[in-house]
Amino acid sequence: DVKVTQSSRYLVKRTGEKVFLECVQDMDHENMFWYRQDPGLGLRLIYFSYDVKMKEKGDIPEGYSVSREKKERFSLILESASTNQTSMYLCASRPRGGGSYEQYFGPGTRLTVT
Amino acid sequence: EDQVTQSPEALRLQEGESSSLNCSYTVSGLRGLFWYRQDPGKGPEFLFTLYSAGEEKEKERLKATLTKKESFLHITAPKPEDSATYLCAVRVDNYGQNFVFGPGTRLSVLP
Repeated sequence: DVKVTQSSRYLVKRTGEKVFLECVQDMDHENMFWYRQDPGLGLRLIYFSYDVKMKEKGDIPEGYSVSREKKERFSLILESASTNQTSMYLCASRPRGGGSYEQYFGPGTRLTVT
Repeated sequence: EDQVTQSPEALRLQEGESSSLNCSYTVSGLRGLFWYRQDPGKGPEFLFTLYSAGEEKEKERLKATLTKKESFLHITAPKPEDSATYLCAVRVDNYGQNFVFGPGTRLSVLP
């Protein structure tokens, strides 16, 4: 079974703090994704990575950065947290190729910025 | 602009009362439509992939169908454990890196 884990289930941070969200997958997947999920809006892609040290911006990258130094680990960084970044953050992974495009999601991190 | 909508926003059913959830999409080129189930406090879990109009997939009490403009998730004789949010997503690129998600339908099945 594919397992995607996220470092925290709940996080409360203050405005202006630097925030790190960590994601680890154990199935050697090349592709990893960071989404945020807000009520009524569906999942929106922040960044994805298709290999170590490679990254591409998604639909809403402003205010975020990412790091992928190892294949199994993909980190999301909020450089200076703001209240409008309060959200549920979901990490996902999937293998490259093989004709299978479904994603495997972690349990999510609910971030509150006060 | 690629867009996915889902209806209804929320649905309450009695146990055993069959119904359908709708996912409508407007995309430049459909390269797969995905259904996921999301339980409260958890990440989405993959259910089905559909690629072409007329295709159907089944799993237990769930059946997903696809037309050129929409997909339906039919739930037959639902049980309380089917209560969850059901998400629909479409793949819009050739590399499987760009997906557009709908907002979901929150299903409650009452005993």
